[in-house]
Amino acid sequence: EEQLLESGGGLVQPGGSLRLSCAASGFTFVNYGMSWVRQAPGKGLEWVSAISSGGAGIYYADSVKGRFTISRDNSNKTVFLQMNSLRAEDTAVYYCAKVYILGAYFFASWGQGTQVTVSS
Amino acid sequence: QSALTQPPSASGSPGQSVTISCTGTSSDVGAYNYVSWYQQHPGKAPKLIIYEVNKRPSGVPDRFSGSKSGNTASLTVFGLQAEDEADYYCSSHAGSKTWVFGGGTKLTVL
Repeated sequence: EEQLLESGGGLVQPGGSLRLSCAASGFTFVNYGMSWVRQAPGKGLEWVSAISSGGAGIYYADSVKGRFTISRDNSNKTVFLQMNSLRAEDTAVYYCAKVYILGAYFFASWGQGTQVTVSS
Repeated sequence: QSALTQPPSASGSPGQSVTISCTGTSSDVGAYNYVSWYQQHPGKAPKLIIYEVNKRPSGVPDRFSGSKSGNTASLTVFGLQAEDEADYYCSSHAGSKTWVFGGGTKLTVL
């Protein structure tokens, strides 16, 4: 069974940093792109970032470009999201998702999410 | 990267059918056959129910059907069941390996 387990969320002050991790199991991690999608309280889904299977292709939403960095460690089947210069509007549940990124574009499976709260 | 437009709510009685629309632009929904739909129950993670406009992953009931015309995609749920009550989100590839989501539709089974 495919599983994605996020961690690293928490409370951080505006301007602070946080690093999210997502550990994958149950599928051949190195064959798939990975993505982060967030959901602000009571709001809809917002795509944040994606990374190709080998890590060479990296993509960001305009709202986080220059502040967030996505990376992956294929040997440990983990994807990361480094979040710097955090703002109140970054407060959300952050979901990790397995994403089809070549010839198909959809989020095939999702983790349970980790809460990030930016507040003083 | 503007959000796709969905109605905030939809409803139907058990056994009825309901259709949820998702309107984008010629740069996203209209440009690609890469529209997907996700079901999200309260407090749970989203779940893929339709990809590439009208394909269903294994395990998703054939009561769920997707279509697209121009810049508008649609999700139809046939034979509504109580467990279909959830939030539904559409998504589209928007070029250059970016994605856009709709604002979500809360489906109520009366």
